[in-house]
Amino acid sequence: SQQGEEDPQALSIQEGENATMNCSYKTSINNLQWYRQNSGRGLVHLILIRSNEREKHSGRLRVTLDTSKKSSSLLITASRAADTASYFCATDEGSGNTGKLIFGQGTTLQVKP
Amino acid sequence: NAGVTQTPKFQVLKTGQSMTLQCAQDMNHEYMSWYRQDPGMGLRLIHYSVGAGITDQGEVPNGYNVSRSTTEDFPLRLLSAAPSQTSVYFCASSTPGQGLDTQYFGPGTRLTVL
Repeated sequence: SQQGEEDPQALSIQEGENATMNCSYKTSINNLQWYRQNSGRGLVHLILIRSNEREKHSGRLRVTLDTSKKSSSLLITASRAADTASYFCATDEGSGNTGKLIFGQGTTLQVKP
Repeated sequence: NAGVTQTPKFQVLKTGQSMTLQCAQDMNHEYMSWYRQDPGMGLRLIHYSVGAGITDQGEVPNGYNVSRSTTEDFPLRLLSAAPSQTSVYFCASSTPGQGLDTQYFGPGTRLTVL
């Protein structure tokens, strides 16, 4: 079964708006990662947040983690048409094994120019 | 560096045929993994390896075999293809201790089983 459940499944916004995606997971974790997938391509790593961190920033990305609620959110600020993609959260289920990630079903983001 | 490479890009099989999906990485990563992605779904882990000679099962291992004889290569074998194995297959590699603990993905192999 999928470790991460993402919400919403699909999101459509105008360029310049902010996009927020949420991820919930079931087990304890060492870290949670967010990946991006452009249509027909492989996944690209965006950002990792460790279980002892609450918030992390990378450029226009902001990730929060609430281990008490077993949830994370990804915020993309000032979105661009090039941000159109699917976004996935992934966890290690506490294994610490970076070769064994469990992915959510993803949020499909469309940014209209 | 080429990163993670996968061959072939596309493959069509008939039910019952066998084939091997190739994956190679030139980053000297210890960990390698195989995932499958079905339409509208996230990735599901098939098999993974934490080093040469060591493999283990993921979420959906049935119908697939792997081996890891070298650090660089991690082939995935379909023993007797079934229509349920129609999917896009991604190989990934990573190594602990580089700070990011991220996985690097190949471009994928799109497999259709008729």
